[in-house]
Amino acid sequence: GQQLNQSPQSMFIQEGEDVSMNCTSSSIFNTWLWYKQDPGEGPVLLIALYKAGELTSNGRLTAQFGITRKDSFLNISASIPSDVGIYFCAGPSSNSGYALNFGKGTSLLVTP
Amino acid sequence: SAVISQKPSRDICQRGTSLTIQCQVDSQVTMMFWYRQQPGQSLTLIATANQGSEATYESGFVIDKFPISRPNLTFSTLTVSNMSPEDSSIYLCSVITTGESGYTFGSGTRLTVV
Repeated sequence: GQQLNQSPQSMFIQEGEDVSMNCTSSSIFNTWLWYKQDPGEGPVLLIALYKAGELTSNGRLTAQFGITRKDSFLNISASIPSDVGIYFCAGPSSNSGYALNFGKGTSLLVTP
Repeated sequence: SAVISQKPSRDICQRGTSLTIQCQVDSQVTMMFWYRQQPGQSLTLIATANQGSEATYESGFVIDKFPISRPNLTFSTLTVSNMSPEDSSIYLCSVITTGESGYTFGSGTRLTVV
């Protein structure tokens, strides 16, 4: 499938700090999705992006769909302990119908 | 969004046995997928479950090892056959529906093969 390169692999921050993570691809995506996975749970959709240049917020989360359609970033402002988890970027694969390709994930740890 | 009930939530199985995982959705869905998430890894697509016909498998996954059924638009099963410790993973079903803003995932089945 189309490869998504997600960075950083992990982050260890203090409560209150802002966080930024990004995803890039060698292929164009028409949709970018950001998910969060808590231990023992399935991924939960945070933000969906459908248009190049689109900037969308969901509470303290902000995500952007890159102009080239080959990248996206997710920002978390004023992090809190419950932000701990693994964040994945994802996009529909052109090789597998509507199934999603996933980045390798960013593991976020927040200390009080 | 659709609500998915996935069972069992976890199991410990002996090598050489098989386990069938169920995915029940509270509404009719157009597309249903099965993913595997190996320990500490991202999600990898196993197959697309097609209603009334054979599933479409991704490279590296075969029907004999991962038979899938989808008898209707709200239910699917994935069987992990002749298990080995390498099959220890989280298995997740995912659905999308017409007009859905994203893809919904079940809470997963955590499988340990001993």
